[in-house]
Amino acid sequence: ELKVEQNPLFLSMQEGKNYTIYCNYSTTSDRLYWYRQDPGKSLESLFVLLSNGAVKQEGRLMASLDTKARLSTLHITAAVHDLSATYFCAVKEYNNNDMRFGAGTRLTVKP
Amino acid sequence: ETGVTQTPRHLVMGMTNKKSLKCEQHLGHNAMYWYKQSAKKPLELMFVYNFKEQTENNSVPSRFSPECPNSSHLFLHLHTLQPEDSALYLCASSATEQGGEAFFGQGTRLTVV
Repeated sequence: ELKVEQNPLFLSMQEGKNYTIYCNYSTTSDRLYWYRQDPGKSLESLFVLLSNGAVKQEGRLMASLDTKARLSTLHITAAVHDLSATYFCAVKEYNNNDMRFGAGTRLTVKP
Repeated sequence: ETGVTQTPRHLVMGMTNKKSLKCEQHLGHNAMYWYKQSAKKPLELMFVYNFKEQTENNSVPSRFSPECPNSSHLFLHLHTLQPEDSALYLCASSATEQGGEAFFGQGTRLTVV
């Protein structure tokens, strides 16, 4: 069964700092997704990464995918309070529609 | 709104009750999912339907029964639940083309008493 691991699970950082969240997965895949969840809300799609070396950026967030290492990263640049949320990565196996999620990283950005 | 609608948003039910959760999508997607999100565990994939055919049943207890009458609607029938089944139940849909990202409904907050 496909396993998806995220780390760290909890991240407290100061405004203005940079940090990276890591997502490892266990089987062959070239479809990786990042989501954001605010407390009491549903999941919002952030990035879709569909090939080795794919890089996507939106504001202070940048996501990348290395399919050979089975690793994706979500880099936060100059964090602001509004980025406080839980971030999930998710993976679809090759030729399979099942989407499995990591445990999530709860990010808190402090002034 | 993401195009995926779940009802009800909140549900309180006794252990002997029977209830159903409903999910509807008008995005033209061909896959629909049920996930369970509880405080103690990560998002758990429960059921997957592709083109109305169930392709995944992730060892879910039989007190949860999914139904997919067409590609736009998905139900989760509940009966004789346990308190530990209290959680947020999320429905999602995706297309196999165009990247395949899943779009989520707002969820049903279920409390079993």
